[in-house]
Amino acid sequence: EDQVTQSPEALRLQEGESSSLNCSYTVSGLRGLFWYRQDPGKGPEFLFTLYSAGEEKEKERLKATLTKKESFLHITAPKPEDSATYLCAVQAPNNNDMRFGAGTRLTVKP
Amino acid sequence: NAGVTQTPKFQVLKTGQSMTLQCAQDMNHEYMSWYRQDPGMGLRLIHYSVGAGITDQGEVPNGYNVSRSTTEDFPLRLLSAAPSQTSVYFCASAGVSYGYTFGSGTRLTVV
Repeated sequence: EDQVTQSPEALRLQEGESSSLNCSYTVSGLRGLFWYRQDPGKGPEFLFTLYSAGEEKEKERLKATLTKKESFLHITAPKPEDSATYLCAVQAPNNNDMRFGAGTRLTVKP
Repeated sequence: NAGVTQTPKFQVLKTGQSMTLQCAQDMNHEYMSWYRQDPGMGLRLIHYSVGAGITDQGEVPNGYNVSRSTTEDFPLRLLSAAPSQTSVYFCASAGVSYGYTFGSGTRLTVV
């Protein structure tokens, strides 16, 4: 069965303090690994898709990387507006749906 | 604005009542799905559709029905509400590539 585990559950950073969020997964083949950002009271917002080990994607202060077993979301010099829950999801080749992790709740203090 | 529209945003039901959560998208996406989000459990797939007239069950389909008569609309029906269905429900759609576009959610409380 496809599984996605995110760690840590919660992360508190000071503004400017870089860190990484982890997403480990087991899936029978990987069609894609997705990162989303979710603000309180809102739906998840798409950030990145990664398709193969070694791939990297960047957007502003965020950088996502992928290995055969896990993905990292690196946050460089975060700002308070980066505070949100970050969700990871995997998609297997034989279906359209995604299996989501429980998320990492990031708080960035000024 | 283009996107996924969900209604209502909030709903309180009594146990045993039925209701329909509405979802509409204007991006001409073939794929649509319904998720529920519960604390500590992440998003779990209820039902999905790969096109008009085609639906299938996800991970947690019991107590829910769906239909897809048009590309734009994908309503979720709760047949007989139970307290275990208290949750936040998200509708999502997807095109050929990229990730899902989610609606803003419906917060449902069953008392």
